[in-house]
Formats: sequence, structure tokens, C-alpha cells
Amino acid sequence: AQSVTQLGSHVSVSEGALVLLRCNYSSSVPPYLFWYVQYPNQGLQLLLKYTSAATLVKGINGFEAEFKKSETSFHLTKPSAHMSDAAEYFCAVRATGANSKLTFGKGITLSVRP
Amino acid sequence: EAGVTQSPTHLIKTRGQQATLRCSPISGHTSVYWYQQALGLGLQFLLWYDEGEERNRGNFPPRFSGRQFPNYSSELNVNALELEDSALYLCASSPPVGVYEQYFGPGTRLTVT
Repeated sequence: AQSVTQLGSHVSVSEGALVLLRCNYSSSVPPYLFWYVQYPNQGLQLLLKYTSAATLVKGINGFEAEFKKSETSFHLTKPSAHMSDAAEYFCAVRATGANSKLTFGKGITLSVRP
Repeated sequence: EAGVTQSPTHLIKTRGQQATLRCSPISGHTSVYWYQQALGLGLQFLLWYDEGEERNRGNFPPRFSGRQFPNYSSELNVNALELEDSALYLCASSPPVGVYEQYFGPGTRLTVT
């Protein structure tokens, strides 16, 4: 079974600072990995995805993530935080094959200080 | 292109009643997924429908059920509502082949009193 661990529940950064949100996965086979963002009272928006192509994945709004098989990690980064980045971020894993459900981490709330 | 739509936006029910939530997928998408986002419990997979069939369900009691219609829209039914069913219910869709991600709707906020 697949699982995702997002350490910590809250990250606070200053505007313009580096954003680093950590995600570690557990999967018996190479997985598909995703980062989603959720703004208050809204659904989930896809930021980026890893589907076994390039290990460095670029997404929307300046975010990117690197798949590291040796570390079973898929950390999300953004060089310079913006106030509008304040939201909850979810890492998710989906196994290849017929079972298409997404398994989500607990989520991390990102706060951006002016 | 229209995204995933869900109705109603908010739903208030009394314990013991039934709730029906509706979802329309993106045009061309044949799979519909339901997730529950309850406070403190995170996002939990509920049900997956594809081509009108239930393909998988999460660890939820049978009073959570649903169906998918020939136009690929879906409804989620929750019978004998309990207070802990209060949550945001998210619907997602994906096309039949070649795409791995799921696209989410805005959700239905169900409150059980």
C-alpha cells in the first residue's frame, strides 16, 4: 500500500524567502506523485505531477519538485514566496495499475509573513 | 473548458437524515472519485466510479454509497447521517487514458446537526 508523510503541519516564511515543503512516500513500486494546493473554502488545485519522466518537475506559480528515489522524497520548493502562496498544500501518491485512488498526506499550512 | 462542478455548495441536515451530493465531471472524463475532508482527519478516499461501475471504495460504512450516470455525472448518498459525517466532500474526475492526475471540484460542505 502507498502512503505519504508530510512532516509538520505548519510552515511560516517571510515574503521573498525560499519555500520548502517536505513529502516522503512509501510505495512498493515506482509511484505517481502530486502536489495540490487548497485555498480556504475551495477545492484542490494541481500544482505539479511526477509520472516517471523527468525527476525535476516544474509546476504552476513558480513551484517545482524533485523526485529522489533513493530518499523516497518529493519535496516542493519555490525560490521566493509571495503573499498569495499562503494556503494548505497536500502531497499525494497514486500507484500505477488499476487502482486509481489518490492517497494524501495530512497537508501543510503555509503562512507568508510580510 | 468547464471544470468539475458540485452541488449544492452547502448542505445542512439533521442526524438520521439522508444527504445527496452531486458531481459533474469535466467533459470527456469518465472516472469520478469522491473524497471526504473532515476536520482533523485529512483527505480520505471514499469511492471511485468508472464507466458507470463502482471500481473501488475506501474504508467507509455501507451507508455511504453512490452511482454514476450514463453521462458520467455522479451522486454520493449518505444515509442515516451521523454528526461525524460533517465534512467537505470533494469530487474529482480524470479522463479514460493517458492522464494520471485528478481534477477537483469546489466541494460540498455537509453539516450534520
